[in-house]
Amino acid sequence: AQSVTQLDSHVSVSEGTPVLLRCNYSSSYSPSLFWYVQHPNKGLQLLLKYTSAATLVKGINGFEAEFKKSETSFHLTKPSAHMSDAAEYFCVVSDSGSGNTGKLIFGQGTTLQVKP
Amino acid sequence: DVKVTQSSRYLVKRTGEKVFLECVQDMDHENMFWYRQDPGLGLRLIYFSYDVKMKEKGDIPEGYSVSREKKERFSLILESASTNQTSMYLCASSDTGLTSNEKLFFGSGTQLSVL
Repeated sequence: AQSVTQLDSHVSVSEGTPVLLRCNYSSSYSPSLFWYVQHPNKGLQLLLKYTSAATLVKGINGFEAEFKKSETSFHLTKPSAHMSDAAEYFCVVSDSGSGNTGKLIFGQGTTLQVKP
Repeated sequence: DVKVTQSSRYLVKRTGEKVFLECVQDMDHENMFWYRQDPGLGLRLIYFSYDVKMKEKGDIPEGYSVSREKKERFSLILESASTNQTSMYLCASSDTGLTSNEKLFFGSGTQLSVL
């Protein structure tokens, strides 16, 4: 069965410093992995998606994530945080493969705080 | 832009009441989903639908039912609300195809409080 674990429930950075949100996954198949972002009082939005092409995936708003099979990780990074990046971030794995439905399995979420 | 609209942003109900949460999408998407979001638990799938009048149970369907009489509308029903159903409820839609399910468009959510 597929699962995903976000290693930090809360991350706090200063504006202009790098962001690292950590995610580990468990999957019996070649996984599809995603990061979604939820800004306050707004719906979740797809940030980026990995589907077995390039291991370094670039998303919107300067975010990127690197798929590392040996470490079963899919950490989200950004070189320089902006105040508008403050939000909740979800790492997600799809259970597609071997006849599964492509259902999304969400991590517990990481709240990113950006201090001025 | 795809728009997924949930009828209420905040809702307060009493234990035992029947509660309807409504969701409408305007992009002719085949697939619609209901999740609940709780702190520390992420999003958990309650029910989903791949077609009109079709429904499938998600991971936590107990205490809930759904209705999809029209393609654009997907309703979540709490037959007899209980305090443990206090949560943020998120509706989502996506286009057809196995991998298309992976890009979901979400509504802004309904924060339901059951007293």
